[in-house]
Amino acid sequence: DAKTTQPPSMDCAEGRAANLPCNHSTISGNEYVYWYRQIHSQGPQYIIHGLKNNETNEMASLIITEDRKSSTLILPHATLRDTAVYYCIVRAPEGGATNKLIFGTGTLLAVQP
Amino acid sequence: DGGITQSPKYLFRKEGQNVTLSCEQNLNHDAMYWYRQDPGQGLRLIYYSQIVNDFQKGDIAEGYSVSREKKESFPLTVTSAQKNPTAFYLCASSIYVSSTEAFFGQGTRLTVV
Repeated sequence: DAKTTQPPSMDCAEGRAANLPCNHSTISGNEYVYWYRQIHSQGPQYIIHGLKNNETNEMASLIITEDRKSSTLILPHATLRDTAVYYCIVRAPEGGATNKLIFGTGTLLAVQP
Repeated sequence: DGGITQSPKYLFRKEGQNVTLSCEQNLNHDAMYWYRQDPGQGLRLIYYSQIVNDFQKGDIAEGYSVSREKKESFPLTVTSAQKNPTAFYLCASSIYVSSTEAFFGQGTRLTVV
């Protein structure tokens, strides 16, 4: 699996958009970008994933650059409950037994009142 | 409600004792996983199972054992051979191992004194 690079921490004002970047310059053509988040002392929660097109769901939007070497997770209106560690992961959806989710250290997003 | 349940939330054990952490899911998922998380770190994969009666070592399997006798259950035993067992343990499941989304339990915080 390709490695990802994320800033260790970010701040965001409540009600504003939170833009979390992720670099994955060695991503392969069949690898997707996944985002999970982990609120303190809880299990991670899936947010969104994409291959090359931008994706949006009820939680967030995912913008992937044309060369696929980086992406940005956007929380359009951050709330205090969005304070969490956000993990960017790349992996291929096929691959069977060796295709595991590998978590790095993520970005701690602190939403400020 | 469907979900994945870990118990207990907090567990204390004396050094040298084996301890078993419970993980149950009623999502009818084939794949299940155990991760370990240390303070300020990402998740590291201990073991995973693709199907009943099958499991594979992850990146840090030494000192741990698992069983998968039933589809809904994937208990993890932390043995006395694990040198640093104090950690936050997370169980997850997915429809199959290469599924796009994994569902996590709320974790068990194990403290060995």
